[in-house]
Amino acid sequence: QVQLQESGPGLVKPSETLSLTCTVSGGSISGYYWTWIRQPPGKELECIGYIYYTGRTKYNPSLNSRVTISVDTSRNQFSLKLNSVTTADTAIYYCARERVGEDWFDPWGQGTLVTVSS
Amino acid sequence: EIVMTQSPATLSVSPGERATLSCRASQSVSSNLAWYQQKPGQAPRLLIYGASTRATGIPARFSGSGSGTEFTLTISSLQSEDIAVYYCQQYNNWRTFGQGTKVEIK
Repeated sequence: QVQLQESGPGLVKPSETLSLTCTVSGGSISGYYWTWIRQPPGKELECIGYIYYTGRTKYNPSLNSRVTISVDTSRNQFSLKLNSVTTADTAIYYCARERVGEDWFDPWGQGTLVTVSS
Repeated sequence: EIVMTQSPATLSVSPGERATLSCRASQSVSSNLAWYQQKPGQAPRLLIYGASTRATGIPARFSGSGSGTEFTLTISSLQSEDIAVYYCQQYNNWRTFGQGTKVEIK
């Protein structure tokens, strides 16, 4: 059974870069799309973007200029970088899997809270 | 961007009774809609995709219906373990979520 686990700093200063990694266990990262989703406090879930295991990416237009998602198939990991963060980027960040041709998310990681504060 | 609106925000239902949750899209998403369940402290879990297809291992008391702009998630007989927040998500044009419906025991 595939499991996903997010990791990274829980506190980031304004204007700096948020960096998270999602480790995939119990299955291969190959053959799937891998997605980052976030939920700011009291707000709805927002899809940040996804990466295919080959490295092809697509990002939410509202975040496109600040986001980079990368994949390391040798480590079965994929990563998120969000630069120039503000307090509005404070959120629980989730990673999740999408099957090819199926644009829903299953499974998800547990999520990790990232707070942007000085 | 397609905006998804869920109602009600909170739903109180007695055990064994039916729970009906609604999700409305700001424009047609065809049948490209999924439902998720999120219990406190847990990751969201996929319940329904394609508006009406149950995901693997999901009990038959959960059912989805609708197409276009109006969708419904029904829990036919509410169990205590169904207490959670439920989200809808469209995937017809990018991916956007509703704000969630919290289901609680009356």
